[in-house]
Amino acid sequence: KNQVEQSPQSLIILEGKNCTLQCNYTVSPFSNLRWYKQDTGRGPVSLTIMTFSENTKSNGRYTATLDADTKQSSLHITASQLSDSASYICVVYTSGTYKYIFGTGTRLKVLA
Amino acid sequence: DTEVTQTPKHLVMGMTNKKSLKCEQHMGHRAMYWYKQKAKKPPELMFVYSYEKLSINESVPSRFSPECPNSSLLNLHLHALQPEDSALYLCASSPRDNYGYTFGSGTRLTVV
Repeated sequence: KNQVEQSPQSLIILEGKNCTLQCNYTVSPFSNLRWYKQDTGRGPVSLTIMTFSENTKSNGRYTATLDADTKQSSLHITASQLSDSASYICVVYTSGTYKYIFGTGTRLKVLA
Repeated sequence: DTEVTQTPKHLVMGMTNKKSLKCEQHMGHRAMYWYKQKAKKPPELMFVYSYEKLSINESVPSRFSPECPNSSLLNLHLHALQPEDSALYLCASSPRDNYGYTFGSGTRLTVV
């Protein structure tokens, strides 16, 4: 069964600290993996997208990694800011069913 | 223009009302999507239009009726909704290769 699991479910960190969010997937065939940031009540905003051959991609303070062999991805946030408080969603696209499989998200709260 | 625009941003409707949600993009994307998202849950796919034709309907109740009048517009017609239909409704679009998948900011729907 195609599934995307994220951990932790929620996370609280202090401003300025780094954190890493995890995404494990069992989706096959794999096409690409995206990380989105979603503020409460707003639409998801794309942070990174990686295909099978890419193992690292950065977008400012956000760095995503992908290990296609172990089917794991991580999102590392450096020097966190209060505005990083949001849900972070991992989404895997499978060309098998032409569908996007969403993870349940990690809710991050950054405290001053 | 790299945005997906959704209107209205907020909508409150009674169970006997008829209303419509609108989604618009001018990126030349030929696939458009409707998602429903409940609080603290990932988005759930409702409908997919590909080249203005309905290609996926995820067993959505008939009180939700999608329409794609042209390649830039996607509507969701609502009739006789239930309070449990209250949610954030997200529109998304993507080009044929799915690389540039983009979400709108959503319509917050409340059914009273």
